[in-house]
Amino acid sequence: EPEVTQTPSHQVTQMGQEVILRCVPISNHLYFYWYRQILGQKVEFLVSFYNNEISEKSEIFDDQFSVERPDGSNFTLKIRSTKLEDSAMYFCASSPDLYGYTFGSGTRLTVV
Amino acid sequence: GIQVEQSPPDLILQEGANSTLRCNFSDSVNNLQWFHQNPWGQLINLFYIPSGTKQNGRLSATTVATERYSLLYISSSQTTDSGVYFCGNAGGTSYGKLTFGQGTILTVHP
Repeated sequence: EPEVTQTPSHQVTQMGQEVILRCVPISNHLYFYWYRQILGQKVEFLVSFYNNEISEKSEIFDDQFSVERPDGSNFTLKIRSTKLEDSAMYFCASSPDLYGYTFGSGTRLTVV
Repeated sequence: GIQVEQSPPDLILQEGANSTLRCNFSDSVNNLQWFHQNPWGQLINLFYIPSGTKQNGRLSATTVATERYSLLYISSSQTTDSGVYFCGNAGGTSYGKLTFGQGTILTVHP
């Protein structure tokens, strides 16, 4: 079964550093998303991406985040100047249309 | 933004028991999905169900869009059903941006 692949599975970074999380969506999917889940809390939307541009973003997105689709397969989330409260599981998802997400296994980001 | 309320917050079952999980929404139902987060943290899509009823094995889901709620039924529960169950919905004119509930933590004992 096709899957969404995320790398790395776990990343530790120092406060203030920039990190890039990588995702390979399912190849025939057109919509891509990033979500995050702080430990023990609900899953929170960050951004959706379609046709090489952001279609929706959360209120916190512009402060620290950016996304890119640098080639035909990768989809990246960049977090600038990380803070302790950015420690979370970051999930990438893709869908062929707007419905029926497939999530990746996540990247656990730990900011120290 | 849209509010999503899930109940119950916690559920403990013996293997073989049945259960019903519920999601209530403050806005229209237009991209309702149910997910299972297993103990390893993976989010598995169970159903896309903006209306009606669907079944997949021991799991089924029903959404009553006019009353803004959805139910997930788990029959003959197994220990592998343990984890957190989330519902997510977009609502209003937003289709791709899901708002999730706080989840129901399900523990199934052998």
